[in-house]
Amino acid sequence: AQSVTQPDIHITVSEGASLELRCNYSYGATPYLFWYVQSPGQGLQLLLKYFSGDTLVQGIKGFEAEFKRSQSSFNLRKPSVHWSDAAEYFCAVAADTGTASKLTFGTGTRLQVTL
Amino acid sequence: KAGVTQTPRYLIKTRGQQVTLSCSPISGHRSVSWYQQTPGQGLQFLFEYFSETQRNKGNFPGRFSGRQFSNSRSEMNVSTLELGDSALYLCASSFLDNEQFFGPGTRLTVL
Repeated sequence: AQSVTQPDIHITVSEGASLELRCNYSYGATPYLFWYVQSPGQGLQLLLKYFSGDTLVQGIKGFEAEFKRSQSSFNLRKPSVHWSDAAEYFCAVAADTGTASKLTFGTGTRLQVTL
Repeated sequence: KAGVTQTPRYLIKTRGQQVTLSCSPISGHRSVSWYQQTPGQGLQFLFEYFSETQRNKGNFPGRFSGRQFSNSRSEMNVSTLELGDSALYLCASSFLDNEQFFGPGTRLTVL
């Protein structure tokens, strides 16, 4: 069965500093990978997704992620964090290639931004 | 285009009762998925409906059920509520099966 690991439960960065959130997946075939963000009391917003092709994916709000098959990783990065980026971030993998309708999520990483 | 809407946003029930949650997908989306989010178990897939048929199912007991109507609106029902059913229930809709759009969720509290 597929699984997603987010090793960091909580990360604190200073505003303006760079950010990298880690995600490792376990899936036999080529996965569909996603990063979502959730603000308190809100639903999930898609930041970016990877299906195939270029392994460096650009998303919204200045985020990017790189798919590394050899490391089974899909880490999320941002060069300069803003205070409004404070939220919880979830990495997810689609269970069945060809559809994103059944997602397996990691446990999330809570990002705190200090001014 | 309006986003995914869920009603009600907040709900308080007591153990043993049943509850029905509603989800209206984005116009034109035919797939609706439901997820449960709790602090202990995180985000877990419940089930997915496509064109009124359950297409995928997660590992939840039979007390959790759902359905989808011809206009793609979906409902999920939980019978015989338990304290552990307290959670944020998220609905997501999809058009081409390559991206899910999530609603704000329904916060269910079971007392």
